[in-house]
Amino acid sequence: QQPVQSPQAVILREGEDAVINCSSSKALYSVHWYRQKHGEAPVFLMILLKGGEQKGHDKISASFNEKKQQSSLYLTASQLSYSGTYFCGTDLYNDYKLSFGAGTTVTVRA
Amino acid sequence: DAGVIQSPRHEVTEMGQEVTLRCKPISGHDYLFWYRQTMMRGLELLIYFNNNVPIDDSGMPEDRFSAKMPNASFSTLKIQPSEPRDSAVYFCASSLGTAPGEQYFGPGTRLTVT
Repeated sequence: QQPVQSPQAVILREGEDAVINCSSSKALYSVHWYRQKHGEAPVFLMILLKGGEQKGHDKISASFNEKKQQSSLYLTASQLSYSGTYFCGTDLYNDYKLSFGAGTTVTVRA
Repeated sequence: DAGVIQSPRHEVTEMGQEVTLRCKPISGHDYLFWYRQTMMRGLELLIYFNNNVPIDDSGMPEDRFSAKMPNASFSTLKIQPSEPRDSAVYFCASSLGTAPGEQYFGPGTRLTVT
């Protein structure tokens, strides 16, 4: 079952913050976040395991709320390089069969 | 280190023809994944291998699709016969056995079936 991402798109000015949400109707083992720039391959950002662990990657961090089966990706003090489409991938059984959301397109403007 | 290598980068073929996509994973990686990406369906997992053995092929759309991994450094995804609805970008990704969730994607093959 494909997770649901929101919002579909967001436009930011440099330095602004944004939150991207990823929700599942099923219990999750882990959530994976990737970023894909136009015409390029997805690039791994981070994995969150069940247990509510929060992780960070530069000024991009994420959390996983096991009770809600929801993960949030936080873009803090956004930079131009943060532009791209962010995908969450969910793993139900720790078998690496990821189901990806439809993606959230982030545009950061100077 | 070289990343995941895919060939060809672009493929245009006519309906009914056989198409073979190739992938060389990162050396030392134990897992290999094949994905398909379209505007309509997004990014979908087709099949994945662990130590050259297919683990799950439930994402393969139909019998026209087949994948092999004859050794640790090479995998193929074959479509026979191809149909226009197979048009998509096909990605291969690999990962270490110690961190299989951290997948490194190749540049993809853009397939157009006319």
